[in-house]
Amino acid sequence: KQEVTQIPAALSVPEGENLVLNCSFTDSAIYNLQWFRQDPGKGLTSLLLIQSSQREQTSGRLNASLDKSSGRSTLYIAASQPGDSATYLCATPSTQKLVFGQGTRLTINP
Amino acid sequence: DAGVIQSPRHEVTEMGQEVTLRCKPISGHNSLFWYRQTMMRGLELLIYFNNNVPIDDSGMPEDRFSAKMPNASFSTLKIQPSEPRDSAVYFCASSLTGILYEQYFGPGTRLTVT
Repeated sequence: KQEVTQIPAALSVPEGENLVLNCSFTDSAIYNLQWFRQDPGKGLTSLLLIQSSQREQTSGRLNASLDKSSGRSTLYIAASQPGDSATYLCATPSTQKLVFGQGTRLTINP
Repeated sequence: DAGVIQSPRHEVTEMGQEVTLRCKPISGHNSLFWYRQTMMRGLELLIYFNNNVPIDDSGMPEDRFSAKMPNASFSTLKIQPSEPRDSAVYFCASSLTGILYEQYFGPGTRLTVT
């Protein structure tokens, strides 16, 4: 059974810093991994989807990496801004459903 | 495209009442998902349709919950009778085909059952 873990549950950093969010999964035989952002009271916004054959995927200041052998994905955010404050979730498909991590709540302090 | 559309955005009802949540997926998407999000349990998949046919409803908590997708552009999630423990945010999401494609979420319906 696939399990997805995100540590830490919360992270607070000053504006301008580069930061890394972590996502771990127990079954390395994944098809893809998706990163989402959720703002308070809002739905999930898809940020990046990285296929199992890829090692990296980039969108603007965001870069997602995937290391299946170690069961890890990271989301790198460059030059963080207060507008990046949100909860970030990772998810991977397994047995007819997306398995989500519990998320990391990110706060960027001006 | 307008994205996934859900209505209502907020619903407050009394225990025992019937609640109907609505979803319009992104045009051209063949798969639709209903999720529930609570602080305690996080995001849970309730049911998943592909080409309007339910594929996996193992996440539907009880017989009080039912979902339909009469056509490719509309789905409903019904709770009858509602209970306070059903209070949660209910999300609808759609994808091109199945769980292996990128999922796009709607804004959610915040349900409060008193």
